[in-house]
Amino acid sequence: GAGVSQSPSNKVTEKGKDVELRCDPISGHTALYWYRQSLGQGLEFLIYFQGNSAPDKSGLPSDRFSAERTGGSVSTLTIQRTQQEDSAVYLCASSIRQGARSYEQYFGPGTRLTVT
Amino acid sequence: LAKTTQPISMDSYEGQEVNITCSHNNIATNDYITWYQQFPSQGPRFIIQGYKTKVTNEVASLFIPADRKSSTLSLPRVSLSDTAVYYCLVGELYNNNDMRFGAGTRLTVKP
Repeated sequence: GAGVSQSPSNKVTEKGKDVELRCDPISGHTALYWYRQSLGQGLEFLIYFQGNSAPDKSGLPSDRFSAERTGGSVSTLTIQRTQQEDSAVYLCASSIRQGARSYEQYFGPGTRLTVT
Repeated sequence: LAKTTQPISMDSYEGQEVNITCSHNNIATNDYITWYQQFPSQGPRFIIQGYKTKVTNEVASLFIPADRKSSTLSLPRVSLSDTAVYYCLVGELYNNNDMRFGAGTRLTVKP
């Protein structure tokens, strides 16, 4: 079946430009997560959605970062006025949430963002 | 948030059993222990999850002592394709957004 998909797979942008990264979760998965991974580093949690709401935005590194999710499905992560330190792989994951329990996260292939 | 500590890297040889230990001294009563595997240029993949004692699936075993302050991921008879980064996460199953990925353990399997 279809897994988590992300687009674009690669994005090169100039410093100061805005970028939008898209995540299509697995159908029926109500929980959605965004992470960032710099080269050779572990995953940095950015934001979590349950349905369309984001109960935890604590990981967003600055107010240049925002995310939304519509229809309980697709999510976009927007980075405004990109900086070179924003260069990383941005990973999206989704999981089922039944009642109060969350299940394992399924990850997409990521978007490699390079800010020049 | 329970903090986890893992070795930065480990080396092994094909056919050996590999044990990766994760320390989580301040694990909370409601926390579960989850391990993920990440290959280069891919997102992490769930391996195994447990609360206490021992859990086994087709990929690995997870050993958790009674005090739950550590856990050990055991990979039987590793192959070259098991070369990856392994992450230990601790968090509430009922509050998944509290789970945080650390730096992980980079396992290199040699021929």
